[in-house]
Amino acid sequence: QSALTQPASVSGSPGQSITISCTGTSSDVGTYNYVSWYQQHPGKAPKLIIYEVSNRPSGVSNRFSGSKSGNTASLTISGLQAEDEADYYCSSYANTFYVFGTGTQVTVL
Amino acid sequence: QLQLQESGPGLVKPSETLSLTCTVSGGSISTTGYYWDWVRQPPGKGLEWIGSIHYSGSTYYDPSLKSRVSISVDTSKNHFSLAVSSVTAADTAVYYCASHCTSNNCYVRAFDYWGQGTLVTVSS
Repeated sequence: QSALTQPASVSGSPGQSITISCTGTSSDVGTYNYVSWYQQHPGKAPKLIIYEVSNRPSGVSNRFSGSKSGNTASLTISGLQAEDEADYYCSSYANTFYVFGTGTQVTVL
Repeated sequence: QLQLQESGPGLVKPSETLSLTCTVSGGSISTTGYYWDWVRQPPGKGLEWIGSIHYSGSTYYDPSLKSRVSISVDTSKNHFSLAVSSVTAADTAVYYCASHCTSNNCYVRAFDYWGQGTLVTVSS
């Protein structure tokens, strides 16, 4: 199975909103509402920020939101802050296994 | 609060077997609904799910790695292990252990706990 497709990079100015897409297939994103998103700062382990498409774990800022339409899931970061500069990965359940996205580097201008 | 910690050699020779262990603390590896995963990240590249195991011993592997990967669990030691055989330079990566659960009272099918990661280099 192939990795989910994400844009390589997205940038925005402080205070702006950005959206990262995550495109899969009818075998993963399109069928299951088990899409999750992870934030990874350099040299650190990934951190869960969205689960089941649009739910935020306890303690995660409400500036992060998720959605899904068809085979594509999206992560929106509103009110962009310097601390949001990191790599972001989506992941989807795909019937007994999991697949990650290609990753998106977010730059705060 | 669960804590996961990887351990194992940082250098493996080509064609040999890479072996890592993840020790779980702050909770039981036999917790209902929890699965224990291995994820890797080659230098400068993205995340790749390798596979997972349930405390009962049921295993699930990425189809592309299945022929070379084995994950096992030792409930008495509260740890689980990864073996990757016939390694090549392409297996050089930071290896993370992680967990996910399938119960209703958790972040379903999301990797909620992660180890700090350990770099394994394949080189002669």
